[in-house]
Amino acid sequence: KAGVTQTPRYLIKTRGQQVTLSCSPISGHRSVSWYQQTPGQGLQFLFEYFSETQRNKGNFPGRFSGRQFSNSRSEMNVSTLELGDSALYLCASRRDRDSGANVLTFGAGSRLTVL
Amino acid sequence: QKEVEQDPGPLSVPEGAIVSLNCTYSNSAFQYFMWYRQYSRKGPELLMYTYSSGNKEDGRFTAQVDKSSKYISLFIRDSQPSDSATYLCAMSEGGGFKTIFGAGTRLFVKA
Repeated sequence: KAGVTQTPRYLIKTRGQQVTLSCSPISGHRSVSWYQQTPGQGLQFLFEYFSETQRNKGNFPGRFSGRQFSNSRSEMNVSTLELGDSALYLCASRRDRDSGANVLTFGAGSRLTVL
Repeated sequence: QKEVEQDPGPLSVPEGAIVSLNCTYSNSAFQYFMWYRQYSRKGPELLMYTYSSGNKEDGRFTAQVDKSSKYISLFIRDSQPSDSATYLCAMSEGGGFKTIFGAGTRLFVKA
């Protein structure tokens, strides 16, 4: 069974540009969450999507946005990139939003470097 | 104050040692407690999860939750060099609430 797939794995952008990251969840998983991981802050929750609707949102500025498609694939977008946006962006999927264990399966991440 | 506090380490131990990793939290509504392991250049993978208070054992790993103290622990017995990784605690209220992670503890097991 295929795992969570994130593309691209690595990318380099310059300040002011925008970036779109993609996540394909495990087949049958309807919930997709996005996290930002940095050495100083650890794993910070960005947002969660379930059935194409944003269900939870973290404390990030409006430059960070996302969406989910009818096939559960998700994308996140960061506009007007800043140096501090350099991080590993992780996507995680879960079968059912109401699954009590809330167990997440992560992808390998997209490493963004902003110059 | 962060909802979940975890010492980032690094923690260095000799092979065969017992390792103790800990997290504290402030949200008494947390019901699900998880430990993830993350190797370099990989995403986190679930190691163990526990519902409410108590202990859970899986091979060399034991997870403990003390809700009265808002304190969780992961013990690794007979540690191996292959256990060298970052260990992240994670917690959730369940029912679709977001999962909050600790900062992660970097563990090195020396052969």
